Amino acid sequence: AQSVTQPDIHITVSEGASLELRCNYSYGATPYLFWYVQSPGQGLQLLLKYFSGDTLVQGIKGFEAEFKRSQSSFNLRKPSVHWSDAAEYFCACAGNNRKLIWGLGTSLAVNP
Amino acid sequence: EAGVAQSPRYKIIEKRQSVAFWCNPISGHATLYWYQQILGQGPKLLIQFQNNGVVDDSQLPKDRFSAERLKGVDSTLKIQPAKLEDSAVYLCASSLQGGDYEQYFGPGTRLTVT
Repeated sequence: AQSVTQPDIHITVSEGASLELRCNYSYGATPYLFWYVQSPGQGLQLLLKYFSGDTLVQGIKGFEAEFKRSQSSFNLRKPSVHWSDAAEYFCACAGNNRKLIWGLGTSLAVNP
Repeated sequence: EAGVAQSPRYKIIEKRQSVAFWCNPISGHATLYWYQQILGQGPKLLIQFQNNGVVDDSQLPKDRFSAERLKGVDSTLKIQPAKLEDSAVYLCASSLQGGDYEQYFGPGTRLTVT
């Protein structure tokens, strides 16, 4: 069955430090992969998506993610974190049925 | 371009009462989704509409939850009667068409059932 795992429930980084949020998926073929961000009291905003082609995907707000088929991973990265990046981050995938399967999310805290 | 609108933003009710949430998707978006997001979890799809028809309602607790999208535009999600475990954020999202993976989310309605 399709599933998404975000191993880190909570991460704290210092402002200006680099960030990597992990996401692993389980699917028989290459899924469609997404990262969404949810700020407190806000809806979900799409950061980036991977459908095919270049495995390094650029998104909004300076985020990028790399699809690694061999590791069934789609980790989110940012070279320098800003205080405004504190939020909940969700990884999701969709297969041929086009239904989004969500991870449980990673809560990011940023220390000044 | 206006985003997905939802109301109310917050609602507190007692168990066994009924409640309704409203969603107005982005203009021109044929597909509308209702999700339930319990604290600490990812969103769970309750129902998906394509225009005014239901595409997927497999995870909708039909004994107490109902949803409609009569004119293929805005939608209402109702819970009757509410239970304590229904406390969650109810998110509405829309997309251009069923095959377009990019979903645009509203701010959500936070429901507390006491």
